[in-house]
Amino acid sequence: DTAVSQTPKYLVTQMGNDKSIKCEQNLGHDTMYWYKQDSKKFLKIMFSYNNKELIINETVPNRFSPKSPDKAHLNLHINSLELGDSAVYFCASSLSGGANTQYFGPGTRLTVL
Amino acid sequence: AQKVTQAQTEISVVEKEDVTLDCVYETRDTTYYLFWYKQPPSGELVFLIRRNSFDEQNEISGRYSWNFQKSTSSFNFTITASQVVDSAVYFCALSELNTGGFKTIFGAGTRLFVKA
Repeated sequence: DTAVSQTPKYLVTQMGNDKSIKCEQNLGHDTMYWYKQDSKKFLKIMFSYNNKELIINETVPNRFSPKSPDKAHLNLHINSLELGDSAVYFCASSLSGGANTQYFGPGTRLTVL
Repeated sequence: AQKVTQAQTEISVVEKEDVTLDCVYETRDTTYYLFWYKQPPSGELVFLIRRNSFDEQNEISGRYSWNFQKSTSSFNFTITASQVVDSAVYFCALSELNTGGFKTIFGAGTRLFVKA
C-alpha cells in the first residue's frame, strides 16, 4: 500500500525542455506539498496546497507551476528547464488544521543536462 | 523568522556507541511544532517524531529518545547503542503559522555514519 507515490522516480532531460512530475496520496489528507532537495541535501518547501488551493508559494521561479486537480493529486510542471533545476523533488501530504505530520513520497531525481 | 540549526554536519561513531544529534531552533511564535525525519541512503524521508511547543515531555521510543528544552530552544535526538542501520541523514524541522497556513522549514541535516 503506497501512501504517497510519485512518478517518475528518475527524470533525465535536456536544458530548455518542459517536464512534469506527478504525485498522488491515498491517505485521505487534504494538504499536499512540493519540496526541493539540492545536492547538499538541503530541503526547502516550494508549494503547499490545501483542498486544491495554493496556500504557500515560496520564492520559486514562475517556470514552476503546480496543479492540484483534486485533494489526492498534486502535480508539478516545470518549463524551460535549467541546469540548476537538477535536484530531488519530494511530494508530501498531511492533514490540515495545524502542523500535522507530513508524509513524504519517494522523491523524483531530476537531472538536467 | 523561523530557523533551524543542526550544527553537526557529520558524525561518525562505532556500533553500540550512543550518539546525540543536536537541533536548535528560532521562532517568534508560542505555538509551533518540531519534527525529526530520517533519510537513509535509499533516499526516502521517514517520519520519526512530532512534538508541539506545549509538550516538553521527553520521549523514548526503543533506542531513540528526544530531549525538548524550550529554555534553550533545543530538540535533541539521542540514539542509544547505535547500529549500522542507523546510518542516515537526520533532519530536524520546525513548523509555525505563516500567512496561509503552517510552514515547515528543515535544518541542514546531520549525516550519521555508524561503523561496524
